[in-house]
Amino acid sequence: DADVTQTPRNRITKTGKRIMLECSQTKGHDRMYWYRQDPGLGLRLIYYSFDVKDINKGEISDGYSVSRQAQAKFSLSLESAIPNQTALYFCATSDTDVETQYFGPGTRLLVL
Amino acid sequence: GENVEQHPSTLSVQEGDSAVIKCTYSDSASNYFPWYKQELGKRPQLIIDIRSNVGEKKDQRIAVTLNKTAKHFSLHITETQPEDSAVYFCAASRRGGSQGNLIFGKGTKLSVKP
Repeated sequence: DADVTQTPRNRITKTGKRIMLECSQTKGHDRMYWYRQDPGLGLRLIYYSFDVKDINKGEISDGYSVSRQAQAKFSLSLESAIPNQTALYFCATSDTDVETQYFGPGTRLLVL
Repeated sequence: GENVEQHPSTLSVQEGDSAVIKCTYSDSASNYFPWYKQELGKRPQLIIDIRSNVGEKKDQRIAVTLNKTAKHFSLHITETQPEDSAVYFCAASRRGGSQGNLIFGKGTKLSVKP
């Protein structure tokens, strides 16, 4: 779905570095989410935002922070990356009161 | 909070056979149950969903059933084809207000052998 984009698509970084993953959407949705996918563990919610002024922690928020710069943009930051943050990260959006979530293409992150 | 269990973790079937994936949920207030398909290297995409006011929903070769009393729901794929090979995720959520976050199962890797 080209309406939800993520940058970068792939990133290699070193332990201790700060990195930012960005998500943009043109669907006009109010709600945005960041998930982490690890083999055998499914999709786990890191943070979510129901509108520009609303930020909420998900089940695995430790070590991450987010910023909702505008309705269309939601960024995920790793303040000091560690190897066990190596994973595939997905951004998703949904409309208020409509539960269907639309996922971005994912960012594959490797922390050395 | 909600917990979603999904079984099996891997499933291999012959082309043309049926495939069934089962999920259970813990929160009796959950009322929305989507299924997502993730092909290799791609993003998850919604394939079908069901709300708690119905017991079954069909869309061509796929169907989902819901048993609210037992708190479980299942995905049924009939006449499987090689292009059905993917990882399938079930999810559950409680609609409305500050709720509405999807809790996902761990996924089922379906392989359809030609």
